[in-house]
Amino acid sequence: GIQVEQSPPDLILQEGANSTLRCNFSDSVNNLQWFHQNPWGQLINLFYIPSGTKQNGRLSATTVATERYSLLYISSSQTTDSGVYFCAVVYSSASKIIFGSGTRLSIRP
Amino acid sequence: EAEVAQSPRYKITEKSQAVAFWCDPISGHATLYWYRQILGQGPELLVQFQDESVVDDSQLPKDRFSAERLKGVDSTLKIQPAELGDSAMYLCASSLTWEGDTDTQYFGPGTRLTVL
Repeated sequence: GIQVEQSPPDLILQEGANSTLRCNFSDSVNNLQWFHQNPWGQLINLFYIPSGTKQNGRLSATTVATERYSLLYISSSQTTDSGVYFCAVVYSSASKIIFGSGTRLSIRP
Repeated sequence: EAEVAQSPRYKITEKSQAVAFWCDPISGHATLYWYRQILGQGPELLVQFQDESVVDDSQLPKDRFSAERLKGVDSTLKIQPAELGDSAMYLCASSLTWEGDTDTQYFGPGTRLTVL
């Protein structure tokens, strides 16, 4: 069935480290977004990236639609980067928004 | 900076009672979404509006849940009667457009519902 798989499910890093989060999807997508949910539950849109590469400060994202995956890169991690990172896609076949189960990132000082 | 407003932020109720949540999207955003997020999981879309019309409510448990957006601006999500399994965070989001694709979504702070 239609799925969005994120890996790893949990990631613990020291402050200053770099990380790569992955989102795999099972069919062609119209759109893909990355979100960060902070410890208080607020979801913040990071990237709207159905294809290509985008960068915003220490964060960047790449989506390779033909190979059905997207990567979120976080460089020089800070404790404020902690939280859960979600990938959400809209499949071309369904026009329906589906979230992955998230990657929980913990940055230790 | 414009934000999506939600109220209440927290709600505790007993099972079989009725509850209602309110959402005011960013001004000018035609598309409004209600999500339910169970602890440890990603948000699940319950209902999506384009202006005042429902675009998708396939995951809305219609025997107890209802949603409306009468004037195409703010929206109300109601549960009657509430059940223990309804305990979750209810999130509202809005986006500028919906044209077969999704535009960038902006989320409100959510309402955390606890059903006792």
